[in-house]
Amino acid sequence: SQTIHQWPATLVQPVGSPLSLECTVEGTSNPNLYWYRQAAGRGLQLLFYSVGIGQISSEVPQNLSASRPQDRQFILSSKKLLLSDSGFYLCAWSKIATYEQYFGPGTRLTVT
Amino acid sequence: QKEVEQDPGPLSVPEGAIVSLNCTYSNSAFQYFMWYRQYSRKGPELLMYTYSSGNKEDGRFTAQVDKSSKYISLFIRDSQPSDSATYLCAMRESSGTYKYIFGTGTRLKVLA
Repeated sequence: SQTIHQWPATLVQPVGSPLSLECTVEGTSNPNLYWYRQAAGRGLQLLFYSVGIGQISSEVPQNLSASRPQDRQFILSSKKLLLSDSGFYLCAWSKIATYEQYFGPGTRLTVT
Repeated sequence: QKEVEQDPGPLSVPEGAIVSLNCTYSNSAFQYFMWYRQYSRKGPELLMYTYSSGNKEDGRFTAQVDKSSKYISLFIRDSQPSDSATYLCAMRESSGTYKYIFGTGTRLKVLA
């Protein structure tokens, strides 16, 4: 069966510090991978998606970036965090054939 | 107009009640429809997945898709306090995009 991992689970970072969130998927090959942000009381905002190694599509340019160095690894980064980057970050993967999408446990980021 | 509309609730029901959760959408190209359950501070969990129109049943859960009305529903029978969560609908087209469009979620409270 497939499993998706995210770490860290919780992160408190000062404004201006860098960020690296990691997501890995087990039990499947060549998944489509996604990063979402969920602000309190609001819907899911798509940040990035990837259909293959090194292939990243950005929906929200801002100060975030994503990379996919391996087939089942997706990384979300920032060089300098802003207060507005606080939120719940979710990684997801989807099946190619059926489009079912599965989410990881999330990382709660607080920028202080 | 948002592509997907979902009543935010909260919806409070007594234990044992039948719960009806709904989403409307505007894009007639949507073919894949999903319902997620999200507990507080957790990642969304895929509950039901439906392709095109029709009904799908899984235990106490039934998903319905009416493409002619652009309306999808999730029914929960014999609701339990453990069903208290936020329910998100999601949908996507069959081709031409990798994006999923989400509703903002309905908060459900099942009272013991």
